[in-house]
Amino acid sequence: DAKTTQPPSMDCAEGRAANLPCNHSTISGNEYVYWYRQIHSQGPQYIIHGLKNNETNEMASLIITEDRKSSTLILPHATLRDTAVYYCIVSAGAFYNQGGKLIFGQGTELSVKP
Amino acid sequence: EPEVTQTPSHQVTQMGQEVILRCVPISNHLYFYWYRQILGQKVEFLVSFYNNEISEKSEIFDDQFSVERPDGSNFTLKIRSTKLEDSAMYFCASSESAGGQIGADTQYFGPGTRLTVL
Repeated sequence: DAKTTQPPSMDCAEGRAANLPCNHSTISGNEYVYWYRQIHSQGPQYIIHGLKNNETNEMASLIITEDRKSSTLILPHATLRDTAVYYCIVSAGAFYNQGGKLIFGQGTELSVKP
Repeated sequence: EPEVTQTPSHQVTQMGQEVILRCVPISNHLYFYWYRQILGQKVEFLVSFYNNEISEKSEIFDDQFSVERPDGSNFTLKIRSTKLEDSAMYFCASSESAGGQIGADTQYFGPGTRLTVL
């Protein structure tokens, strides 16, 4: 089973920031938080990952709480093309750990509206 | 930007037939994976593969499934005798490193093959 909990759906106005929460209260010290998204039935698209520190890249920012039990993915200026299912995944990010498999939950369906 | 490619995009087959789904991972990647997603359901891990060996496989990956790296660029998933319940999107993924102490291993996914078993 997935080790994360996400709201099933969220709405966001175009141009506004989308803040997607994720709870991972049982995360282990060596586990990373990964975010992927899936647009329609396309392949999951990697967004960002982090261990302890906040991370930012050209797509998004990831804010991880100090106790690492929750995190928030921020899309700073959401567009209609950001409408997708967003998955928060906790993983050791290492092939030696269960072959590196990612366990997907149901994710959050984000709808960006004009 | 390098990407994982998969062929065909859509495969239709009769129950009991063999199918081979093909993937070309990102060129410098050494670790390979297959996942599947039945319509309306979660993405599920099938198998991971490195150095011509299966590293991990799920309960779904039974004797009807096999994987192979037939040459330096392709990675294939074979289903020997397809069943109706094998109808799904199949995603290939690859990663560059083993992760762990050298940092997290990030998997990059292909666009998928839609398999329809009639």
